[in-house]
Amino acid sequence: DTGVSQDPRHKITKRGQNVTFRCDPISEHNRLYWYRQTLGQGPEFLTYFQNEAQLEKSRLLSDRFSAERPKGSFSTLEIQRTEQGDSAMYLCASSFGTVNQETQYFGPGTRLLVL
Amino acid sequence: DQQVKQNSPSLSVQEGRISILNCDYTNSMFDYFLWYKKYPAEGPTFLISISSIKDKNEDGRFTVFLNKSAKHLSLHIVPSQPGDSAVYFCAASGWVDDKIIFGKGTRLHILP
Repeated sequence: DTGVSQDPRHKITKRGQNVTFRCDPISEHNRLYWYRQTLGQGPEFLTYFQNEAQLEKSRLLSDRFSAERPKGSFSTLEIQRTEQGDSAMYLCASSFGTVNQETQYFGPGTRLLVL
Repeated sequence: DQQVKQNSPSLSVQEGRISILNCDYTNSMFDYFLWYKKYPAEGPTFLISISSIKDKNEDGRFTVFLNKSAKHLSLHIVPSQPGDSAVYFCAASGWVDDKIIFGKGTRLHILP
């Protein structure tokens, strides 16, 4: 399967715990995006990387959230001291290119439930 | 302030008929528009896109129409099939901004 993969698919955690999600983009894609989707909403942009450089972060991304893409391939999204409001589907997408008007391809998502 | 609006939360269409999903946007800097389809517990799947230099793009049963003056786009599915039942997201991006802005989605039910 050469699509975007995410791990884990589901995560249940207790409030206050740290969680980390992984995304493996399509291999030739240099751009990687993280989105969050809550019930009844469309995906909301969190952050994105071009190769290993993090180029933009949304104001939705509080200081408890950190994302990395150390070698320009896979990426991790960590949430520290989780809160119940962090419960959502976390989506990763990737695209190829250096200009806009590129299609982003999404992974299956990681569904997080904070108890 | 929603920049991409899908005002119909749901739509029911008879199998074999045309499904028309609508989307409005407010940001005149948007120049690339996409439609994604999403099944439960899966990530969005890219369906079709259109650049602002065009007013129509067709791919099999799917056609997207763009009316720039009205800041409106629509997705036509002809003929509708049971497997088309899903949530459809309209999305847009601009040349100054890489991120995609999504609408809230429209749930399409194809009736037998």
